[in-house]
Amino acid sequence: QKEVEQNSGPLSVPEGAIASLNCTYSDRGSQSFFWYRQYSGKSPELIMSIYSNGDKEDGRFTAQLNKASQYVSLLIRDSQPSDSATYLCAVLGSSASKIIFGSGTRLSIRP
Amino acid sequence: DAMVIQNPRYQVTQFGKPVTLSCSQTLNHNVMYWYQQKSSQAPKLLFHYYDKDFNNEADTPDNFQSRRPNTSFCFLDIRSPGLGDAAMYLCATSREGQAEGYTFGSGTRLTVV
Repeated sequence: QKEVEQNSGPLSVPEGAIASLNCTYSDRGSQSFFWYRQYSGKSPELIMSIYSNGDKEDGRFTAQLNKASQYVSLLIRDSQPSDSATYLCAVLGSSASKIIFGSGTRLSIRP
Repeated sequence: DAMVIQNPRYQVTQFGKPVTLSCSQTLNHNVMYWYQQKSSQAPKLLFHYYDKDFNNEADTPDNFQSRRPNTSFCFLDIRSPGLGDAAMYLCATSREGQAEGYTFGSGTRLTVV
């Protein structure tokens, strides 16, 4: 089992709709959770972090965490073509020594 | 602006010819990381420095070495690049504790010919 799992996609969403990206992790003691956006050929950019159960909203982005289910998600409202990118889920495990990345979900926003 | 800078942006090297990638930061973060990322894959941690303490991942090949001469700079040396080492190399930094996540540099795309 991979430590951080994501559906590779591509996930195709019409412009203006809600994009929902999901991630599961294996280390039950994980402490911190992150979503990075990565455009093709570019480096990852941190867009959201979440540390406790529930929802965290920042503009059009909402991160959701459920530690009991070991599940974290990212919702993007009013999707724009500029949101087309790969979204990496990342988790700081219980050892707190390093962040583990998922392989990413490729999101495509169609006009 | 405080940032993480990687040089060069693109590097072409010959098979077996040593190459060095550099990373500098103005964030004054005490932890620096080197990741390797191949197409459509997760970034893979090669090693990291916690201040001057070097931490190597168990599966990082001996072909990869690193140096951190001071807080601001970190280098990745590939002693004998093979075709399989072609990838994007990402430098990242964080404060102690990592709770805020990492800040990445722009990456170096390495091509081996």
